[in-house]
Amino acid sequence: DAGVIQSPRHEVTEMGQEVTLRCKPISGHNSLFWYRQTMMRGLELLIYFNNNVPIDDSGMPEDRFSAKMPNASFSTLKIQPSEPRDSAVYFCASSLLAGVLRETQYFGPGTRLLVL
Amino acid sequence: ILNVEQSPQSLHVQEGDSTNFTCSFPSSNFYALHWYRWETAKSPEALFVMTLNGDEKKKGRISATLNTKEGYSYLYIKGSQPEDSATYLCASPMEYGNKLVFGAGTILRVKS
Repeated sequence: DAGVIQSPRHEVTEMGQEVTLRCKPISGHNSLFWYRQTMMRGLELLIYFNNNVPIDDSGMPEDRFSAKMPNASFSTLKIQPSEPRDSAVYFCASSLLAGVLRETQYFGPGTRLLVL
Repeated sequence: ILNVEQSPQSLHVQEGDSTNFTCSFPSSNFYALHWYRWETAKSPEALFVMTLNGDEKKKGRISATLNTKEGYSYLYIKGSQPEDSATYLCASPMEYGNKLVFGAGTILRVKS
């Protein structure tokens, strides 16, 4: 199994530009999560999907952030316009069963974003 | 609001030492407690999911215990090795869905 795949692995962009992060969950997994990791706030959940449906987006910082999951094998996290304070590592994770509290989450390698 | 706390924040030990650290969580409405290991420049990797009071799980030299009544879990590493150096995270789900709330982690550095 290839595991959770994220692209790009690194992204450097200028303030004001649109950034799109991509994630392919493990095949057969029904839940997908987007996390952000910063020094100040640690690992925080931004949004998660069960069966391609967004369940909780309360962690999304502001309207500049949006996420979609058009099908079971693909999700995007978009930042438009990007700001320097968005610089962080963004992780995608997936788990097998939707809505089950004891499911292990499998993390992708992360996208390291730097906004200049 | 669920609050997951970990201590100590960081730990430096010598190769061969055994060590342990703590995760505390609200004991009411407990569902599960997850432990993850996170090496620098890699992604978090699941170690254990614990659900029952008194649970003890083991993976090689790493083991964990759970006390849901008092709201804590211990992670033990026996005979630490340099490759055990990582951040160890615990997390507990919110009561709906599978939204995990992570602690800030314990950074372990093992010197050879």
